Amino acid sequence: GQSLEQPSEVTAVEGAIVQINCTYQTSGFYGLSWYQQHDGGAPTFLSYNALDGLEETGRFSSFLSRSDSYGYLLLQELQMKDSASYFCAVRDPPYSSASKIIFGSGTRLSIRP
Amino acid sequence: DSGVTQTPKHLITATGQRVTLRCSPRSGDLSVYWYQQSLDQGLQFLIQYYNGEERAKGNILERFSAQQFPDLHSELNLSSLELGDSALYFCASSVTADSYEQYFGPGTRLTVT
Repeated sequence: GQSLEQPSEVTAVEGAIVQINCTYQTSGFYGLSWYQQHDGGAPTFLSYNALDGLEETGRFSSFLSRSDSYGYLLLQELQMKDSASYFCAVRDPPYSSASKIIFGSGTRLSIRP
Repeated sequence: DSGVTQTPKHLITATGQRVTLRCSPRSGDLSVYWYQQSLDQGLQFLIQYYNGEERAKGNILERFSAQQFPDLHSELNLSSLELGDSALYFCASSVTADSYEQYFGPGTRLTVT
């Protein structure tokens, strides 16, 4: 099986940059994805990393280091609307036709003016 | 709007009862997933269907069952309801069976009294 760890809460200031980390333990690896969820809303797909390096999509970037079993989501030019929970997710088990996505417990990001 | 629809939006019922939650995936998506999210908790994977067949199973209780119909819509049946079943139930869909990019519906909030 696989397990994911991410901080439960992060606080940042509007206009700043924040990084949300995710470490995973796995017997195999297929890729790391990130989802955003506002209070009372549905999760929304943000990004997916299968290879090492940085993937950039506007103000959001996601990074993966397979050798360190580590990834992060980077949010730049923070806006109040970025206040939400952010989940990393992996497939468990990897390389299986019956694998399912396992979500981390989520990081609640609070933005201060 | 993700294109995934779920009905009903809210459901209040008593312990011991049975309910059915309905999900219609995005047009063209063959895979449907069901998740449970309790208050301030992460997303717990329940079950996945792909093109009408069960694909992967998570920690789904025996009191719960699901199916995907030929028109690809899916239903999640919850029976002998307990207070602890109160949660948000999300349906998600994806094009392929192993996609990392899932599109979530708005969820059904179930309250068991």
